Parts: sequence; structure tokens; C-alpha cells
Amino acid sequence: TQLLEQSPQFLSIQEGENLTVYCNSSSVFSSLQWYRQEPGEGPVLLVTVVTGGEVKKLKRLTFQFGDARKDSSLHITAAQPGDTGLYLCAGAPADNDYKLSFGAGTTVTVRA
Amino acid sequence: GAGVSQSPSNKVTEKGKDVELRCDPISGHTALYWYRQSLGQGLEFLIYFQGNSAPDKSGLPSDRFSAERTGGSVSTLTIQRTQQEDSAVYLCASSLGLPPAVEQFFGPGTRLTVL
Repeated sequence: TQLLEQSPQFLSIQEGENLTVYCNSSSVFSSLQWYRQEPGEGPVLLVTVVTGGEVKKLKRLTFQFGDARKDSSLHITAAQPGDTGLYLCAGAPADNDYKLSFGAGTTVTVRA
Repeated sequence: GAGVSQSPSNKVTEKGKDVELRCDPISGHTALYWYRQSLGQGLEFLIYFQGNSAPDKSGLPSDRFSAERTGGSVSTLTIQRTQQEDSAVYLCASSLGLPPAVEQFFGPGTRLTVL
């Protein structure tokens, strides 16, 4: 059983469209991270959010941490083929903050 | 290259054999992590090394799994008497400093296939 549930599992959209990926849990996290992973490579950190209600923007990507620090979302505006990849959320529990719990991931495909 | 490196990139072995997977972290990074990624699953925490402290081995799935980190740098993950359910991608990561909110830098992984 995943501690963090990601939805949807797969997402296929046309270039220029917007998309949102959700990461939900019943547990509270001290921080939450989003990674992108491409085939044959390790995940690469996109952002870390640490404060409940925090919103961070990274160019066309917007990340939000829920007020209760249990959930998060990733929104991509005007998606491009280069955004294609596996998006993973990972939560750090307060007691062992190095022991990240990862969601199963959302595979995003952006068609040109 | 200054990134985390892992070897081999692919390993095919027969059930019952032992395997060793190697990780070279980024120079100067005090923390090193091992994860397992199975198809359709997220990353599963296996073990954490931080400096000279005792490692957190709580994520190792059975006593067939062990890991060591020599000289605070290179790490080896050993799986004894491999089983088919051990087939997965094994990822290593390193980070500078202590959590929380510390960026982990991942290697490309070792894909292990147990026949």
C-alpha cells in the first residue's frame, strides 16, 4: 500500500494543453518533493515545499502544498513535449525526515 | 562527470546467485541512500547512510539484503540468493548535509533481472 497516492496514473495530452497531477495522503509530512524521471535515468528534483498552503512556481510549473501538509498538486501550463516523463511526489515524515515515501508516479505524455 | 554513478547498468542473474551493486556518490556528499523501483511502483526506501553514524537499515526487505559504505564514499548493495521478486531497478542517491528539504541526487540505477 502506497503511503502517497498519485492520480492520475497516466496522462496523455496535446501540446499547449494544461494538466494537473495530484498527490494525496492521510499522513502529515514535514516537506514534500516533486521529481521528474526519464527512461533509464534517476529522478531529478523539481521542487521542495515545506509550509502548509505554500505555492511555488517554476516557469510553467506550479506546485501547491495543502494547508494540512497531507497533499500536493503539480500544475503544468501550456505543456510541451519536453515535459514528457514520470512525475513522482515524495513526502518526508516528521520523525525520520530522510526516509522519503514516494508515490507510484504519474506518466505524462505530451503529444506534438 | 560529477554526478552519482552506478555499476553495472544492467545485471542479469540466475535465481539463487549473489549479486553486488555499486554506487559512487558525489564527492563530499555525506548522505547516501539506496532505493528499489519496481515496475509501476514508486521508489521504495532501502537503507540510509549519514557520515559515520550507524546506517538506517529498516527498509531492507529481508536478511538476504545488505549494504556497506566504505570510507564514507563508495557503497555496495549485496543481494544473496537472489529471487525473481528481487527483479527491479536499484537506485542510489546522495545528498550534502542533513534533511529535511535536502536535494537528493540520483544515479541512473542498476536494472536487475533474476531469471
